Amino acid sequence: NAGVTQTPKFRILKIGQSMTLQCAQDMNHNYMYWYRQDPGMGLKLIYYSVGAGITDKGEVPNGYNVSRSTTEDFPLRLELAAPSQTSVYFCASTTVAGGYEQYFGPGTRLTVT
Amino acid sequence: GQSLEQPSEVTAVEGAIVQINCTYQTSGFYGLSWYQQHDGGAPTFLSYNGLDGLEETGRFSSFLSRSDSYGYLLLQELQMKDSASYFCAVRSPGNTGKLIFGQGTTLQVKP
Repeated sequence: NAGVTQTPKFRILKIGQSMTLQCAQDMNHNYMYWYRQDPGMGLKLIYYSVGAGITDKGEVPNGYNVSRSTTEDFPLRLELAAPSQTSVYFCASTTVAGGYEQYFGPGTRLTVT
Repeated sequence: GQSLEQPSEVTAVEGAIVQINCTYQTSGFYGLSWYQQHDGGAPTFLSYNGLDGLEETGRFSSFLSRSDSYGYLLLQELQMKDSASYFCAVRSPGNTGKLIFGQGTTLQVKP
């Protein structure tokens, strides 16, 4: 199993550009999450999904959007990128029963200039 | 709301024992987890406490006291590779599996 995969690993965006961060998991996990992590800080939840077709906002959803059309994939869309979105983005997944143990992808390091 | 407090930095020497504390304020409690994150890497799960007491996994142990809203991670026989950030996290109420993370404690292990 590849676990949780994320692409790209790195990206530089200009202010106002848009992009989609890809996340996929092959563990058949229902629950998936997007976090951002600013330098020296903890993880802030952006959006989450409890199953295909079901998504909801986390703590910091502004400027982002998600979709979940399959169990495996959970892309994060940034519209009109701003310097405040410079961060490392992590995708994670877990099972219904094992919600205290989340499996993280390797992250996408995004810089907006 | 929910919040967690942990020290920002801890330093210890190789071979020593170090304890990283975590206090939490939650509306309902559903367990305390610990994650490790090496610089530039992804967080990885270390341990979970749903009930009071000590959970041991090799050199790492985690303790929980629900009455004190307090837990700690104990690392024994420290190795240089243990230099990393350590996060405590609590589950949010409801069946979403959401975790609320602390700000993290950076552990520096010195020779």
